[in-house]
Amino acid sequence: EAQVTQNPRYLITVTGKKLTVTCSQNMNHEYMSWYRQDPGLGLRQIYYSMNVEVTDKGDVPEGYKVSRKEKRNFPLILESPSPNQTSLYFCASSLGGLVEQFFGPGTRLTVL
Amino acid sequence: ELKVEQNPLFLSMQEGKNYTIYCNYSTTSDRLYWYRQDPGKSLESLFVLLSNGAVKQEGRLMASLDTKARLSTLHITAAVHDLSATYFCAVTVAGSARQLTFGSGTQLTVLP
Repeated sequence: EAQVTQNPRYLITVTGKKLTVTCSQNMNHEYMSWYRQDPGLGLRQIYYSMNVEVTDKGDVPEGYKVSRKEKRNFPLILESPSPNQTSLYFCASSLGGLVEQFFGPGTRLTVL
Repeated sequence: ELKVEQNPLFLSMQEGKNYTIYCNYSTTSDRLYWYRQDPGKSLESLFVLLSNGAVKQEGRLMASLDTKARLSTLHITAAVHDLSATYFCAVTVAGSARQLTFGSGTQLTVLP
């Protein structure tokens, strides 16, 4: 089944404790992206990647890192999480050109 | 900076009625996307509009794009309860087909 998977789905952590949210897709898509969703703000793009080893900042990259060492994986890294990073995070992928984007199920992160 | 505004933000309508959701964006763009999100769920791609005058229809939903007015509309015909969801439009930054900016979303409730 074609899908985007994220892990974990729910995470509660404390300020400053490094964490990684994994994202994997099985559709051989070149393009992958991370978003955060906050009430009243819609979705905001954090980082995106057009292919392996090619990443770029979205609208809200501060406090996040990404890497794209393999085509199927695009992990989101929070080196020192803070409470303002409490949010719902979505990973998405598509063929080059953003013709249709497939979203993962979301990761709800709470930073205390 | 690209801004995307949707209105209304909240919409209650009765089954069988028609209504339109509007999406305005602030700078030149040639790609516009509509997504649907059910409560507690991920996002589902509805339409991709690639050129001025583009119109796409799926069931009771029809989307159109006017790039000169920087406006897209999502028209709902004879609403049914199953259409209750939050609808987002998203626009790419001109010159970059890779970075998406989302509107705040329109929460649609269809009442029996």
